[in-house]
Amino acid sequence: SQQGEEDPQALSIQEGENATMNCSYKTSINNLQWYRQNSGRGLVHLILIRSNEREKHSGRLRVTLDTSKKSSSLLITASRAADTASYFCATGRADTGNQFYFGTGTSLTVIP
Amino acid sequence: DAEITQSPRHKITETGRQVTLACHQTWNHNNMFWYRQDLGHGLRLIHYSYGVQDTNKGEVSDGYSVSRSNTEDLPLTLESAASSQTSVYFCASTQGVGYEQYFGPGTRLTVT
Repeated sequence: SQQGEEDPQALSIQEGENATMNCSYKTSINNLQWYRQNSGRGLVHLILIRSNEREKHSGRLRVTLDTSKKSSSLLITASRAADTASYFCATGRADTGNQFYFGTGTSLTVIP
Repeated sequence: DAEITQSPRHKITETGRQVTLACHQTWNHNNMFWYRQDLGHGLRLIHYSYGVQDTNKGEVSDGYSVSRSNTEDLPLTLESAASSQTSVYFCASTQGVGYEQYFGPGTRLTVT
């Protein structure tokens, strides 16, 4: 069964604007990761946040985690056309060790 | 540089044929995973391995098998291909719990 679910399914913004994507999950987790997938390519890891962390930054990326609401958000600031991709959250569940469960993804289009 | 590769990148086969997809990583990771990606489903775990001679079923393992005879390789076999197995297949590896996964470029399989 799907663990994570991203929202919105699709997002279209102008270059320079911020993009926010959300991920909700169902069970307790050890960590949550965000990945990017460009069309026709494999997934690339962006950022990992552990269950005892609330916020993490990496360059233009900001991730928050609210374990009480079982949700996470990914913020991309000052977006660029090169950010156009699909973004997935993946949860490392506390009960299944090393397995990851992926959501269905958010398709982001950044218009130049 | 360490990498993870998949072959073939594209494969067309007929219903009922046996097909093997190769995955090779030079990260020296013990943990390897196979996923399939379909529209509307995100990535779903097929099989995974935590080390040589170790294999485990994921959430969509029916019709698939894996074997792990060395650290570097985790081939995925479709014993008797079905049209429902038309998909894009991704292999991934990780150092361990709480670490990022590294993905291969994917294999697009079409079963006619």
